[in-house]
Amino acid sequence: GAGVSQSPRYKVAKRGQDVALRCDPISGHVSLFWYQQALGQGPEFLTYFQNEAQLDKSGLPSDRFFAERPEGSVSTLKIQRTQQEDSAVYLCASTQGRGAGNTIYFGEGSWLTVV
Amino acid sequence: QQQVKQSPQSLIVQKGGISIINCAYENTAFDYFPWYQQFPGKGPALLIAIRPDVSEKKEGRFTISFNKSAKQFSLHIMDSQPGDSATYFCAASREGNQFYFGTGTSLTVIP
Repeated sequence: GAGVSQSPRYKVAKRGQDVALRCDPISGHVSLFWYQQALGQGPEFLTYFQNEAQLDKSGLPSDRFFAERPEGSVSTLKIQRTQQEDSAVYLCASTQGRGAGNTIYFGEGSWLTVV
Repeated sequence: QQQVKQSPQSLIVQKGGISIINCAYENTAFDYFPWYQQFPGKGPALLIAIRPDVSEKKEGRFTISFNKSAKQFSLHIMDSQPGDSATYFCAASREGNQFYFGTGTSLTVIP
């Protein structure tokens, strides 16, 4: 596709509900990142994939957060038993490959509000 | 632990003036330093980036100054315009594996 596509753009979840956020990276991009951005803050790293391999998940805040990219393209971030502190924008980004200088392209984000 | 520290938090500049945003980092292994521009409701978009082997990079009205010994880099926006009003983030990366972002600077350019 032309850019990184994320869905849904907006999600309101009741506390305790499970949510799934989808990311469709730029076609052919090897690396995929998930970031969490709280209001008025910079993006915070959650996890990173190279193709289907999840190479770094050190930023996932708890075991309620789970990400997958089974075929090395589309990725899903799942949040189980959502809490109010999970309310944030979840940004997906992709780059063409590994190595310094690779431009990271962001999607417009999925805005999650937990009520 | 904040890997990249950014200042100021907000900035108001007159149209035509120079906007300057500063960032500092600790990890000397970082090898790529991009700046992102974010408008409300949109994802961050790459503005300009630099590698540590050069001290300055200029693209149009945007310039990055990089001081390797001080572990600092800054964004200069010359002839600032109201359309530049946005939030700006600096970032640092090592081998493109993970990007660490600053906390952002909200820039307002007044006509």
